[in-house]
Amino acid sequence: AQSVTQLGSHVSVSEGALVLLRCNYSSSVPPYLFWYVQYPNQGLQLLLKYTTGATLVKGINGFEAEFKKSETSFHLTKPSAHMSDAAEYFCAVSNFGSSNTGKLIFGQGTTLQVKP
Amino acid sequence: NAGVTQTPKFQVLKTGQSMTLQCAQDMNHNSMYWYRQDPGMGLRLIYYSASEGTTDKGEVPNGYNVSRLNKREFSLRLESAAPSQTSVYFCASSDTPGQGFLSNQPQHFGDGTRLSIL
Repeated sequence: AQSVTQLGSHVSVSEGALVLLRCNYSSSVPPYLFWYVQYPNQGLQLLLKYTTGATLVKGINGFEAEFKKSETSFHLTKPSAHMSDAAEYFCAVSNFGSSNTGKLIFGQGTTLQVKP
Repeated sequence: NAGVTQTPKFQVLKTGQSMTLQCAQDMNHNSMYWYRQDPGMGLRLIYYSASEGTTDKGEVPNGYNVSRLNKREFSLRLESAAPSQTSVYFCASSDTPGQGFLSNQPQHFGDGTRLSIL
């Protein structure tokens, strides 16, 4: 069965510091992977996704993530944090057999705090 | 671009009352989903509909029913609300490629319904 683990429910960084949010997955087949962001009182928005091709994926707002098959990881990074990056971030994996359902398996989420 | 629209945005119910949460999408997506979000528990899938006319249980279906009214609309009903159903409910939709094993299509989310049951 596929699963997603996000290491650290809360991450705190200073403004201008590197952001690193960790995501590990388990899957019996090469997965498709997604990162979403949720700002307060809003729904989830897609940040980026990995399906095939280049393993370093660039998304919106300066975020990027690298798919590492050997480490079963898809960590999200941003070189320099802004106050506006404070939000909750979710990693998700496309479920086996999802071509007909579109179902995703979500991690538990990581809350990013950015300190001035 | 409306995307996914949920109504209402807020609701307070008394235990035992019933209520229907409405969701509509204008992206011509095949699949639609209902999630609940609770502190520390991430998103949990309640029900989903892979296509018009079909619905299936997700991870936490007890106490809920759904209706896929047409391709655009997917409603969630609480027949007899309980305090344990106090949560934020999200509707989402996605396109489905129908080929291969995995979908590469992201889900698009509404802004949520904040439901309190007293």
